[in-house]
Amino acid sequence: EVQVLESGGGLVQPGESLRLSCAASGFTFTSYAMSWVRQAPGKGLEWVSSVSGSGGSTYYADSVKGRFAISRDNSKTTVYLQMNSLRVEDTAIYYCARDQVAMDVWGQGTRVTVSS
Amino acid sequence: QSALTQPASMSGSPGQSITISCTGTSTDVGKYNLVSWYQQHPGKAPKLIIYEVTKWPSGVSNRFSGSKSGNTASLTISGLQAEDEADYYCCSYAGTRHYWLFGGGTKLTVL
Repeated sequence: EVQVLESGGGLVQPGESLRLSCAASGFTFTSYAMSWVRQAPGKGLEWVSSVSGSGGSTYYADSVKGRFAISRDNSKTTVYLQMNSLRVEDTAIYYCARDQVAMDVWGQGTRVTVSS
Repeated sequence: QSALTQPASMSGSPGQSITISCTGTSTDVGKYNLVSWYQQHPGKAPKLIIYEVTKWPSGVSNRFSGSKSGNTASLTISGLQAEDEADYYCCSYAGTRHYWLFGGGTKLTVL
């Protein structure tokens, strides 16, 4: 079965860091880019970051550029999102998605809450 | 780069058809045939229902159809059913600078 499973969310204070993981299975991992999309409480979807299949190319939304870093370990079929200098406005459910010409496989999300 | 523009809400009766619009610019929707649509029920993850403007993923009903004209993409749902009540999001590739842009979402109510 093709699936992705996020983990690593939690409650942190502003300025702190958190690393999210996304474990993929059931497909040829290196053939796909992977993306992170977030959804703040009661709000719409916001693309956060993407990484190419090889890991050699990364892309970020302006709202997280310089604070977040996406990476992947193809030997572990896992994608990571390192989130530094977290802000209250980063509070959201973070979804991991398989990405080719669209995001066709989504996880159930992991909740990140940034609050003092 | 601003989000794509969708109506905040729409409604329809069972059996009717509705069309949700998604307006972008010549640097995203108008430039690339990489528009996708997602359905999201409350508390659930988004689900891909249309990709590359008009294509259906395996298992998605052909009651959903997509189109594009200029800078505006559209999602049409025909034969509305109660289970179609959900939030719908459009998304377009916007080049390597902004990558993926989402619309603000449309809440569809089936009366």
